[in-house]
Amino acid sequence: NAGVTQTPKFQVLKTGQSMTLQCAQDMNHEYMSWYRQDPGMGLRLIHYSVGAGITDQGEVPNGYNVSRSTTEDFPLRLLSAAPSQTSVYFCASSFSLRGEQFFGPGTRLTVL
Amino acid sequence: AQSVTQPDIHITVSEGASLELRCNYSYGATPYLFWYVQSPGQGLQLLLKYFSGDTLVQGIKGFEAEFKRSQSSFNLRKPSVHWSDAAEYFCAVGGGNEKLTFGTGTRLTIIP
Repeated sequence: NAGVTQTPKFQVLKTGQSMTLQCAQDMNHEYMSWYRQDPGMGLRLIHYSVGAGITDQGEVPNGYNVSRSTTEDFPLRLLSAAPSQTSVYFCASSFSLRGEQFFGPGTRLTVL
Repeated sequence: AQSVTQPDIHITVSEGASLELRCNYSYGATPYLFWYVQSPGQGLQLLLKYFSGDTLVQGIKGFEAEFKRSQSSFNLRKPSVHWSDAAEYFCAVGGGNEKLTFGTGTRLTIIP
């Protein structure tokens, strides 16, 4: 049981490049979320999913896309990276939207 | 809308001393409350949670928290801190159909 896994751990992009942050969980959780963590701002919800095929926007969705084709996977796509997207990104999963979240180890992204 | 306030950005405590980290929330009904800990370079780990019932909840690593409805607070306590407790601590609130909202975190430093 690996829990929540994220790849890559570190990534450097140039402005305008695109990339996908991968997230997978093996706990059969319906709910999955993407957060970004910035100094002094805590965790802010980017997008979330309540099940395969269903996604919704969180607090800071602009510049990010998500899809949920399977229960296990919830990738986050940056279509055209900007320096403002430099952050640490965490994926989380849970049994319910308001319940205990299980977090991945994070991806540290730098956009130059 | 629900919100969480952690008024202390940074706290320094001597090893062996007691600890209290403050958390105040805003929520219209009975909330679900959580404390998470984040060690440097790591993801978040759940310390404890309150859903209902006994207002004093015990968590892992010797932590406890008390839900006080009249004060809209859920402060985290530990009677004697260890150097390994140095980390960042996040309070979070959820409930009903609302997603979790995290506070901005309190960074704990332990001095010998």
